Amino acid sequence: QITLEESGPTLVKPTQTLTLTCTFSGISLSTSGVGVAWIRQPPGKALEWLTLIYWNDDKRYSPSLKSRLTIIRDTSKNQVVLTMTNMDPVDTATYYCAHLKHFSRAFDIWGQGTVVTVSS
Amino acid sequence: SYVVTQPPSVSVAPGQTARITCGGNNIGTKSVHWYHQKPGQAPVLVIYNDSDRPAGIPERFSGSNSGNTATLTISRVEAGDEADYYCQVWDVSSDRAVFGGGTKLTVL
Repeated sequence: QITLEESGPTLVKPTQTLTLTCTFSGISLSTSGVGVAWIRQPPGKALEWLTLIYWNDDKRYSPSLKSRLTIIRDTSKNQVVLTMTNMDPVDTATYYCAHLKHFSRAFDIWGQGTVVTVSS
Repeated sequence: SYVVTQPPSVSVAPGQTARITCGGNNIGTKSVHWYHQKPGQAPVLVIYNDSDRPAGIPERFSGSNSGNTATLTISRVEAGDEADYYCQVWDVSSDRAVFGGGTKLTVL
């Protein structure tokens, strides 16, 4: 059974850097084909894909946010870490990590999400 | 960049069939995935690769994709199907996932 859980601060100030951790079980980011993504959802709005890391450390970023995002993996801890710099109130959202389904570009298992508010 | 468009809302009576569309330029050449999301919950994958159902998703959920429109069809709609539905594709040209704006399904 695959599970993912997001953790990190609930409140950050404008201009600060956000660091979120996705801790997963039931998968290994050392196994061929495995990928983990970050997706966010502002209150009352649609889902927005942010970034994805593959088992081979290949990474993909949303073009509009690429300059602010970094994704890394820690295979020994079964974790993926997202950092987003220069946070703004418009970045207030629920942040989800999700597992990329094998042989697909669908996200089949999601964490419960973590709410991040950007406010001074 | 690639854009997928969904109607903001769809309403259907219980027992009827709901169809939610996802439009995009030649979307029929892409694999489309569908999620439902109930208030306060994480999204759940209900259809992947246009028409495949993950384990545990009822056969009432089906998908199709051709031309410029992909469609999620929910047969014999139940009150519990009321949720927001999102389509998603992978845009190869920009190498990123793209979500639609979501459709709120209301069961009358």
